[in-house]
Amino acid sequence: KQEVTQIPAALSVPEGENLVLNCSFTDSAIYNLQWFRQDPGKGLTSLLLIQSSQREQTSGRLNASLDKSSGRSTLYIAASQPGDSATYLCAVRNGSSNTGKLIFGQGTTLQVKP
Amino acid sequence: DAGVTQSPTHLIKTRGQQVTLRCSPKSGHDTVSWYQQALGQGPQFIFQYYEEEERQRGNFPDRFSGHQYPNYSSELNVNALLLGDSALYLCASSRRGTNEKLFFGSGTQLSVL
Repeated sequence: KQEVTQIPAALSVPEGENLVLNCSFTDSAIYNLQWFRQDPGKGLTSLLLIQSSQREQTSGRLNASLDKSSGRSTLYIAASQPGDSATYLCAVRNGSSNTGKLIFGQGTTLQVKP
Repeated sequence: DAGVTQSPTHLIKTRGQQVTLRCSPKSGHDTVSWYQQALGQGPQFIFQYYEEEERQRGNFPDRFSGHQYPNYSSELNVNALLLGDSALYLCASSRRGTNEKLFFGSGTQLSVL
């Protein structure tokens, strides 16, 4: 059974700092992995999608990496800003197609202080 | 281009009642999935609809049921509400046969008193 874990559960950093959020999963037979951002009481905004054959994806100040063999992914945020404060969730999709369910971690709540 | 839209945004019900939540997928998407997110937790998969049929189901009781219409919109129905059903219910849409990312709506916050 696939399990997804995110560490730390919460993180507080000063503005401008670079930071790394961690995600681990127990079954390496994933189809893809997606990172989401969630503001309090709101829906999920997709940040980056990494296919199982890829090693990393980048979008602006965000970079996500994937190491399937070790069951790990990281989300790197460069030059953090107060507007980055939110909960970040990673989710894996098992199987061999893009139709499987997403299995989520519990999220890391990030606070960036001005 | 409207993204995934959900209604209502908030709902208050009492134990034992029934509720219907609605979702319109992003334009061009044909597959709708529903997730339940309890406070402080990651979303949990409820079920997925494609071609008006339930294709996959998570570990949720039969009190949770759904429907998909020919225009790809979907409903989530929950019968005999329990206090533990209080959560944010999220709808996600995608296009089958592609590697595109999943798009989520803003959710319906359900409170059961």
